[in-house]
Amino acid sequence: GENVEQHPSTLSVQEGDSAVIKCTYSDSASNYFPWYKQELGKRPQLIIDIRSNVGEKKDQRIAVTLNKTAKHFSLHITETQPEDSAVYFCAASSGSSNTGKLIFGQGTTLQVKP
Amino acid sequence: DAGVIQSPRHEVTEMGQEVTLRCKPISGHDYLFWYRQTMMRGLELLIYFNNNVPIDDSGMPEDRFSAKMPNASFSTLKIQPSEPRDSAVYFCASSPILDTQYFGPGTRLTVL
Repeated sequence: GENVEQHPSTLSVQEGDSAVIKCTYSDSASNYFPWYKQELGKRPQLIIDIRSNVGEKKDQRIAVTLNKTAKHFSLHITETQPEDSAVYFCAASSGSSNTGKLIFGQGTTLQVKP
Repeated sequence: DAGVIQSPRHEVTEMGQEVTLRCKPISGHDYLFWYRQTMMRGLELLIYFNNNVPIDDSGMPEDRFSAKMPNASFSTLKIQPSEPRDSAVYFCASSPILDTQYFGPGTRLTVL
């Protein structure tokens, strides 16, 4: 069935270092890949997304890359800051975009040490 | 825009009681999703609607769970009877177009 694997489950970095979170998906028809950030006790919030016709997208310190052949995508955070500490979820659209459904990864807890 | 609104924000109830969670999606959004989040199982999709019609309820754990969307601005998720293992945070999300989902603040449910 549809599945999204996310690694690592926890990640600890020093402030200023980079952080990379990787996800693989199983459905070759997936064409939309959002990333959500969830702070403790808060809702998941969309931070960046990418569609299958693009290989990379950047927004200030955040970037996402997509390799459709290998069916994996990654989140890159540069110059990490303590406020980046949160749980990050990747997701992939279920099949084509016609369903509206997202399959979420299990989440990565990122800790940025001052 | 107020975003997705959920009520109550916290609910504590006793096993066997009926629980009703409420959601108001962002105006103009055609899709509404109900998720459950726990430490053990992560974020699980329970059911979603398109234009008030249930599209996929395969994530609903069992017959004790039911969801309705009587109009474009309101949805409910009901658990009857509730059990301690239903304790979780329940999120509602809505989407204006396919794929981009916006989450509500969630309802933290505790069943004693």
